[in-house]
Amino acid sequence: GDSVTQMEGPVTLSEEAFLTINCTYTATGYPSLFWYVQYPGEGLQLLLKATKADDKGSNKGFEATYRKETTSFHLEKGSVQVSDSAVYFCALSDLEGGGNKLTFGTGTQLKVEL
Amino acid sequence: DVKVTQSSRYLVKRTGEKVFLECVQDMDHENMFWYRQDPGLGLRLIYFSYDVKMKEKGDIPEGYSVSREKKERFSLILESASTNQTSMYLCASSSYRGQGSNQPQHFGDGTRLSIL
Repeated sequence: GDSVTQMEGPVTLSEEAFLTINCTYTATGYPSLFWYVQYPGEGLQLLLKATKADDKGSNKGFEATYRKETTSFHLEKGSVQVSDSAVYFCALSDLEGGGNKLTFGTGTQLKVEL
Repeated sequence: DVKVTQSSRYLVKRTGEKVFLECVQDMDHENMFWYRQDPGLGLRLIYFSYDVKMKEKGDIPEGYSVSREKKERFSLILESASTNQTSMYLCASSSYRGQGSNQPQHFGDGTRLSIL
């Protein structure tokens, strides 16, 4: 079945550092890919998405490119802020399910310090 | 903005009790989902629903049931609560725009349930 693998956290960075959170996936078809973010005490929010190979999703300074050849969707940000501290989830959609079922990675906690 | 509201942020129940978790969405979404979130395991799908009175098992349905009598409301039921059901429960909804339309899911803030 479909699966998503994320790098384990926590990832601790200084403010203004460059961020990469790795995500790779296994899927039988051509899924859409998502990054969700969960701030402390809240539910998940959609951060960005990409629906086909070579698409780049971007939002709030975060970017991720759908790489079919490496089955990856790594999240990047050029300069992180303390307010970016959160848990980040990579996910893919199940097209065969028809109802937009998502398969999630285990999440990567990001801590940004001054 | 889409609003997904879960009835309780924190809930404490006893082993063997029947527990109801309620979720309401205000965007007329067809799809609704219940997940549980545990450290190191990410989000795991318990049940989902594509339409009123319709339900499908997710990856971990054992010990749970659901009810969807109205389009906007999706209830998760723990028939006889056990300590291993202590977890964070997240409800989500999404619209359906055709097969594989990949609409994002919108989440509530979660219910942290403790079973003593």
